[in-house]
Amino acid sequence: DAMVIQNPRYQVTQFGKPVTLSCSQTLNHNVMYWYQQKSSQAPKLLFHYYDKDFNNEADTPDNFQSRRPNTSFCFLDIRSPGLGDAAMYLCATSREGGGVSGYTFGSGTRLTVV
Amino acid sequence: AQTVTQSQPEMSVQEAETVTLSCTYDTSENNYYLFWYKQPPSRQMILVIRQEAYKQQNATENRFSVNFQKAAKSFSLKISDSQLGDTAMYFCAFMKRGRGQNFVFGPGTRLSVLP
Repeated sequence: DAMVIQNPRYQVTQFGKPVTLSCSQTLNHNVMYWYQQKSSQAPKLLFHYYDKDFNNEADTPDNFQSRRPNTSFCFLDIRSPGLGDAAMYLCATSREGGGVSGYTFGSGTRLTVV
Repeated sequence: AQTVTQSQPEMSVQEAETVTLSCTYDTSENNYYLFWYKQPPSRQMILVIRQEAYKQQNATENRFSVNFQKAAKSFSLKISDSQLGDTAMYFCAFMKRGRGQNFVFGPGTRLSVLP
């Protein structure tokens, strides 16, 4: 089945130690998104790629970076995780222009910072 | 800018009963989509139902239906014959049509289905 896969499902990292979360998709969608979701809150968009075009949200901290080496893969890099970065990180994809199909979400990576 | 409001932070319903979750939104756009997503505890966000704004007919997916009132900017979700597996956070979301348009999520409603 076509899907969005996030690895790992759970990630524990040390305070200040760089960490990378990964997302892959078999849907051939050209738009990929990274969201941060804290407990009982709505997902908050960090950035998205429209093909290779990177679009950063104005309030996304510089500590968060992203790479998209090809259509299928997208990575979220947190350069120096702080305790406040502990959250669920969701990857999502959509077709060009959005549309009635909406987004397809991955299962998320729950990041713990110790 | 668009905003989405869900006025019920938490709701509960008895199994087999019907429940309605509220969603209102604010936009000056005429062409857009509305969605309800379900997120069970520690699980994936799943699309429940969607509505295209230009369609007057309310969307229905099995036990899930919406009441879309475009003039009132209201998009409520009705769950009939509630099941224990319906326990989840429910997010209402707005998407403007066009390139690079992103979801605007509501704050969510936590629904508990009680046995």
